[in-house]
Formats: sequence, C-alpha cells, structure tokens
Amino acid sequence: DTAVSQTPKYLVTQMGNDKSIKCEQNLGHDTMYWYKQDSKKFLKIMFSYNNKELIINETVPNRFSPKSPDKAHLNLHINSLELGDSAVYFCASSQYDSLTGELFFGEGSRLTVL
Amino acid sequence: GENVEQHPSTLSVQEGDSAVIKCTYSDSASNYFPWYKQELGKRPQLIIDIRSNVGEKKDQRIAVTLNKTAKHFSLHITETQPEDSAVYFCAASITSYDKVIFGPGTSLSVIP
Repeated sequence: DTAVSQTPKYLVTQMGNDKSIKCEQNLGHDTMYWYKQDSKKFLKIMFSYNNKELIINETVPNRFSPKSPDKAHLNLHINSLELGDSAVYFCASSQYDSLTGELFFGEGSRLTVL
Repeated sequence: GENVEQHPSTLSVQEGDSAVIKCTYSDSASNYFPWYKQELGKRPQLIIDIRSNVGEKKDQRIAVTLNKTAKHFSLHITETQPEDSAVYFCAASITSYDKVIFGPGTSLSVIP
C-alpha cells in the first residue's frame, strides 16, 4: 500500500550508459515531481507534471527526459550518464489545489555512475 | 527566482534541550513555508507548515514562526529526543502548489 513507489531503489552503472527510473503514486494526486538530492543533501527540483502536462522544467541538461504516461506515473530517463549525475533521485506527488500542498516523496533511487 | 538560506548547517543538542533552525527567503511573493524532516536513508516528510497570514503555528513539541517583513521563519523543537535526530529542510513557495524551493538543510543531532 506504498503511496509513492520508485524503481529501482539502487542503480549502479558506467559513464555513457542510458538508464531509467520509474515512479508511481496511488494517492490520486494530479501533480508529480522529480527532485535530485546530491551528496550534500541539497534537494533541487528538476521537473513537475500536472495531469501529464509539463509545468516545471528547471535548468536540467537535456540528457534528462521525463515522461508521464498518465497522472499516476512519472518516469525519468537519463542519456549518456556522467559522474556528476550520481545522486539520490526522489519522486514526489501532491494535489495541485490542495490546501496543505504537502509533497509525498518516494523512497528515492540512488544512482551511482562509475 | 526564490532563494532559501538556512542556518545552522549542523546542530548538536543534549536530549531535553531546545533546538532552533532559522531560514530566510528572497521572494516577497512567497507565502507558503513548509518544513520537512529526513531521517538517515529515508524520504523527506512534512512535519509542519505555515502560511503568510499566520505568524506562529504549534504542533506538540514543534513550532514555527514567520516574520514576513523580515522574510525569515524559524523552526523550534522543544524537549528534544534522540528520535528528533535528522536533517531538517525549510522551504518556500508562492502558493501551496507552486514550485517548492528547499533550503540546504540542517543536520540535527540529539545526544542522549
């Protein structure tokens, strides 16, 4: 009954490879996000989708491509991985018109690029 | 764009003492200020939030204050316990559903 689930939890890969992280939420929320947490724990927003429409696209290299097939899923594909991409990637969801605005995070996907 | 600063970066207190974490924000249009707690190896979770029409909010041992004129807000934890040890993030956004910008985090250690 996990609210926001991400797969895989751990990902170790070589530089130059392409990898994907998948996220699903069963909270009925209409907005989903990808955040990157670097080694210093800094949480930085990357993308946000509302009802499958991209609404936030921060300054992220175009090697990163999000895809939202429906409002319950948001995937992240990364091409030509670089050492600096190593981080924990958190998926999150919220309800756009909610009074609380609470972000519900997944458990994170730890990406290590060798 | 919005920039959120947070101090201190690390904080160590004795069990039972109080802990205070302070944040400042740059965009005067921001009016929603949540606080998230992230335990080691876990996901961030909302612990309390405050809106700009409120100066203070309390939930058991946790309280948040907001000074909109000075553009700063603070988290107060009283009677700290070892399970309060975590990284705490303040954040700001223009609305509760707008882009949430996080501060750099404060690592709190509560010493038994």
